[in-house]
Amino acid sequence: EAQVTQNPRYLITVTGKKLTVTCSQNMNHEYMSWYRQDPGLGLRQIYYSMNVEVTDKGDVPEGYKVSRKEKRNFPLILESPSPNQTSLYFCASSLTRGPQETQYFGPGTRLLVL
Amino acid sequence: AQSVTQPDIHITVSEGASLELRCNYSYGATPYLFWYVQSPGQGLQLLLKYFSGDTLVQGIKGFEAEFKRSQSSFNLRKPSVHWSDAAEYFCAVGAASSGSARQLTFGSGTQLTVLP
Repeated sequence: EAQVTQNPRYLITVTGKKLTVTCSQNMNHEYMSWYRQDPGLGLRQIYYSMNVEVTDKGDVPEGYKVSRKEKRNFPLILESPSPNQTSLYFCASSLTRGPQETQYFGPGTRLLVL
Repeated sequence: AQSVTQPDIHITVSEGASLELRCNYSYGATPYLFWYVQSPGQGLQLLLKYFSGDTLVQGIKGFEAEFKRSQSSFNLRKPSVHWSDAAEYFCAVGAASSGSARQLTFGSGTQLTVLP
Protein backbone atom coordinates (compact mmCIF):
# COMPACT_ATOMS: atom_id res chain seq x y z
CA GLU A 1 0.00 0.00 0.00
CA ALA A 2 1.31 3.42 -0.98
CA GLN A 3 1.74 5.48 2.13
CA VAL A 4 3.65 7.98 4.20
CA THR A 5 4.41 6.84 7.72
CA GLN A 6 5.48 8.90 10.70
CA ASN A 7 6.76 7.90 14.11
CA PRO A 8 5.98 8.47 16.82
CA ARG A 9 2.34 9.51 16.52
CA TYR A 10 2.32 11.15 19.94
CA LEU A 11 5.22 12.53 21.92
CA ILE A 12 5.55 14.37 25.20
CA THR A 13 8.96 15.76 26.02
CA VAL A 14 10.66 18.45 28.05
CA THR A 15 12.38 21.61 26.98
CA GLY A 16 15.85 21.03 25.61
CA LYS A 17 15.69 17.27 25.15
CA LYS A 18 16.63 16.45 21.57
CA LEU A 19 14.11 14.47 19.58
CA THR A 20 13.64 13.06 16.10
CA VAL A 21 10.40 12.42 14.26
CA THR A 22 10.82 9.93 11.46
CA CYS A 23 9.07 10.05 8.09
CA SER A 24 9.17 7.40 5.42
CA GLN A 25 7.42 7.00 2.07
CA ASN A 26 7.26 3.94 -0.17
CA MET A 27 6.26 5.66 -3.43
CA ASN A 28 9.73 6.60 -4.70
CA HIS A 29 8.78 10.26 -4.46
CA GLU A 30 11.42 12.89 -5.01
CA TYR A 31 9.84 15.71 -3.04
CA MET A 32 9.24 15.55 0.69
CA SER A 33 8.35 18.20 3.18
CA TRP A 34 7.43 18.86 6.78
CA TYR A 35 4.55 21.01 7.95
CA ARG A 36 3.31 22.12 11.29
CA GLN A 37 -0.36 22.73 11.91
CA ASP A 38 -1.52 25.20 14.52
CA PRO A 39 -5.09 26.36 15.22
CA GLY A 40 -6.09 29.26 13.02
CA LEU A 41 -2.87 29.16 11.04
CA GLY A 42 -3.41 26.18 8.77
CA LEU A 43 -0.34 24.28 7.65
CA ARG A 44 2.99 26.00 7.42
CA GLN A 45 5.96 24.45 5.72
CA ILE A 46 9.03 23.91 7.88
CA TYR A 47 11.53 22.33 5.49
CA TYR A 48 11.42 20.58 2.17
CA SER A 49 13.65 18.34 0.13
CA MET A 50 13.71 18.06 -3.63
CA ASN A 51 15.82 14.93 -3.62
CA VAL A 52 18.55 13.09 -1.75
CA GLU A 53 20.96 15.52 -0.08
CA VAL A 54 18.93 18.51 -1.29
CA THR A 55 17.03 20.32 1.43
CA ASP A 56 15.90 23.88 1.99
CA LYS A 57 14.00 26.05 4.43
CA GLY A 58 10.28 26.59 4.25
CA ASP A 59 8.33 29.31 6.00
CA VAL A 60 9.05 28.43 9.63
CA PRO A 61 12.42 26.63 9.84
CA GLU A 62 13.73 28.09 13.12
CA GLY A 63 14.50 25.44 15.70
CA TYR A 64 14.32 22.53 13.26
CA LYS A 65 16.75 20.47 11.23
CA VAL A 66 16.24 17.85 8.56
CA SER A 67 18.30 15.42 6.55
CA ARG A 68 17.71 13.42 3.39
CA LYS A 69 20.28 10.65 3.14
CA GLU A 70 17.93 8.22 1.47
CA LYS A 71 15.11 8.93 -0.92
CA ARG A 72 12.46 7.30 1.22
CA ASN A 73 13.31 8.92 4.59
CA PHE A 74 13.09 12.51 5.74
CA PRO A 75 13.49 12.84 9.52
CA LEU A 76 12.68 16.04 11.40
CA ILE A 77 15.07 16.88 14.20
CA LEU A 78 14.46 19.22 17.11
CA GLU A 79 17.85 19.76 18.70
CA SER A 80 16.54 21.72 21.69
CA PRO A 81 12.74 21.71 21.74
CA SER A 82 10.87 24.62 23.27
CA PRO A 83 7.21 24.94 24.28
CA ASN A 84 6.42 27.02 21.18
CA GLN A 85 7.17 23.93 19.12
CA THR A 86 4.18 22.17 20.63
CA SER A 87 2.16 21.42 17.53
CA LEU A 88 0.82 18.82 15.12
CA TYR A 89 3.41 17.85 12.54
CA PHE A 90 2.81 16.37 9.11
CA CYS A 91 5.22 14.86 6.68
CA ALA A 92 4.21 14.88 3.02
CA SER A 93 5.63 13.62 -0.24
CA SER A 94 4.95 14.04 -3.94
CA LEU A 95 6.41 12.60 -7.10
CA THR A 96 8.17 15.82 -8.04
CA ARG A 97 8.24 19.38 -6.77
CA GLY A 98 5.88 20.61 -9.48
CA PRO A 99 3.04 22.80 -8.15
CA GLN A 100 0.47 20.57 -9.84
CA GLU A 101 1.52 17.50 -7.90
CA THR A 102 -0.74 15.89 -5.33
CA GLN A 103 0.89 15.72 -1.94
CA TYR A 104 0.45 12.60 0.15
CA PHE A 105 0.37 13.19 3.87
CA GLY A 106 1.37 11.08 6.80
CA PRO A 107 -1.02 10.61 9.75
CA GLY A 108 0.62 13.31 11.83
CA THR A 109 2.70 13.50 15.00
CA ARG A 110 1.30 15.38 17.94
CA LEU A 111 4.11 16.90 19.99
CA LEU A 112 3.86 18.45 23.43
CA VAL A 113 6.92 20.21 24.81
CA LEU A 114 6.75 20.94 28.55
CA ALA B 1 3.83 35.50 -3.08
CA GLN B 2 0.62 33.55 -3.13
CA SER B 3 -1.89 33.53 -0.31
CA VAL B 4 -5.15 31.78 0.53
CA THR B 5 -8.05 32.98 2.63
CA GLN B 6 -10.78 30.81 4.03
CA PRO B 7 -13.18 33.31 5.58
CA ASP B 8 -15.22 30.80 7.56
CA ILE B 9 -13.47 29.27 10.54
CA HIS B 10 -16.40 27.04 11.45
CA ILE B 11 -19.55 26.03 9.58
CA THR B 12 -22.45 23.96 10.87
CA VAL B 13 -24.96 22.30 8.57
CA SER B 14 -27.66 19.70 8.99
CA GLU B 15 -27.26 16.31 7.41
CA GLY B 16 -28.79 16.35 3.93
CA ALA B 17 -28.36 20.10 3.51
CA SER B 18 -26.18 21.63 0.85
CA LEU B 19 -22.71 22.93 1.62
CA GLU B 20 -20.46 25.63 0.27
CA LEU B 21 -17.02 26.37 1.71
CA ARG B 22 -15.36 29.54 0.56
CA CYS B 23 -11.81 29.99 -0.61
CA ASN B 24 -10.17 33.10 -2.04
CA TYR B 25 -6.64 33.15 -3.34
CA SER B 26 -4.10 35.72 -4.31
CA TYR B 27 -1.66 34.93 -7.09
CA GLY B 28 -0.44 36.79 -10.13
CA ALA B 29 -0.83 34.05 -12.70
CA THR B 30 -3.16 31.10 -13.17
CA PRO B 31 -2.92 29.14 -9.97
CA TYR B 32 -3.00 25.48 -9.21
CA LEU B 33 -5.81 25.05 -6.68
CA PHE B 34 -6.52 22.23 -4.30
CA TRP B 35 -8.98 21.21 -1.63
CA TYR B 36 -7.81 18.80 1.05
CA VAL B 37 -9.85 17.24 3.85
CA GLN B 38 -8.58 16.27 7.27
CA SER B 39 -10.74 13.84 9.21
CA PRO B 40 -10.24 13.67 12.98
CA GLY B 41 -6.91 12.06 13.82
CA GLN B 42 -5.98 11.64 10.18
CA GLY B 43 -3.62 13.21 7.72
CA LEU B 44 -4.83 15.33 4.83
CA GLN B 45 -6.45 13.72 1.82
CA LEU B 46 -6.89 15.35 -1.57
CA LEU B 47 -10.52 16.01 -2.53
CA LEU B 48 -9.97 17.68 -5.88
CA LYS B 49 -7.65 19.95 -7.81
CA TYR B 50 -7.80 22.47 -10.64
CA PHE B 51 -5.08 23.35 -13.13
CA SER B 52 -6.79 24.44 -16.32
CA GLY B 53 -9.72 23.70 -18.59
CA ASP B 54 -13.25 23.24 -17.29
CA THR B 55 -13.70 25.54 -14.33
CA LEU B 56 -16.05 23.11 -12.56
CA VAL B 57 -14.05 20.30 -11.06
CA GLN B 58 -15.42 17.07 -9.69
CA GLY B 59 -13.74 15.35 -6.77
CA ILE B 60 -14.12 12.39 -4.51
CA LYS B 61 -16.95 11.86 -2.04
CA GLY B 62 -19.40 13.86 -4.15
CA PHE B 63 -17.59 17.18 -3.81
CA GLU B 64 -17.11 19.72 -6.56
CA ALA B 65 -15.45 23.11 -6.79
CA GLU B 66 -15.71 25.98 -9.22
CA PHE B 67 -12.83 28.19 -10.24
CA LYS B 68 -13.86 31.80 -10.80
CA ARG B 69 -10.96 33.88 -12.01
CA SER B 70 -12.87 37.17 -11.83
CA GLN B 71 -13.53 36.60 -8.13
CA SER B 72 -10.22 34.85 -7.33
CA SER B 73 -12.29 32.12 -5.74
CA PHE B 74 -12.36 28.35 -5.65
CA ASN B 75 -15.36 27.43 -3.53
CA LEU B 76 -16.09 23.85 -2.55
CA ARG B 77 -19.64 22.53 -2.77
CA LYS B 78 -21.64 19.44 -2.02
CA PRO B 79 -25.37 19.14 -2.70
CA SER B 80 -26.20 16.89 0.26
CA VAL B 81 -23.92 16.57 3.27
CA HIS B 82 -23.44 13.28 5.11
CA TRP B 83 -22.50 12.96 8.78
CA SER B 84 -19.16 11.45 7.68
CA ASP B 85 -18.26 14.74 5.99
CA ALA B 86 -17.59 16.33 9.37
CA ALA B 87 -13.93 17.29 9.16
CA GLU B 88 -11.60 20.20 8.59
CA TYR B 89 -11.22 21.43 5.04
CA PHE B 90 -8.19 23.19 3.64
CA CYS B 91 -7.89 25.14 0.44
CA ALA B 92 -4.40 25.44 -1.01
CA VAL B 93 -2.73 27.17 -3.92
CA GLY B 94 0.33 25.89 -5.73
CA ALA B 95 2.55 28.21 -7.65
CA ALA B 96 5.52 27.75 -9.91
CA SER B 97 7.32 30.87 -8.79
CA SER B 98 10.74 31.15 -10.31
CA GLY B 99 13.45 30.41 -7.83
CA SER B 100 11.03 28.88 -5.36
CA ALA B 101 10.53 25.21 -4.75
CA ARG B 102 7.71 25.78 -2.32
CA GLN B 103 4.73 23.82 -3.51
CA LEU B 104 1.67 24.77 -1.59
CA THR B 105 0.32 27.59 0.51
CA PHE B 106 -2.57 26.54 2.70
CA GLY B 107 -5.50 28.47 4.04
CA SER B 108 -6.24 28.39 7.74
CA GLY B 109 -8.97 25.78 7.33
CA THR B 110 -12.74 25.53 7.82
CA GLN B 111 -14.09 23.18 10.44
CA LEU B 112 -17.35 21.54 9.33
CA THR B 113 -19.85 20.23 11.86
CA VAL B 114 -22.77 18.14 10.64
CA LEU B 115 -25.91 17.99 12.75
CA PRO B 116 -28.09 14.88 12.67
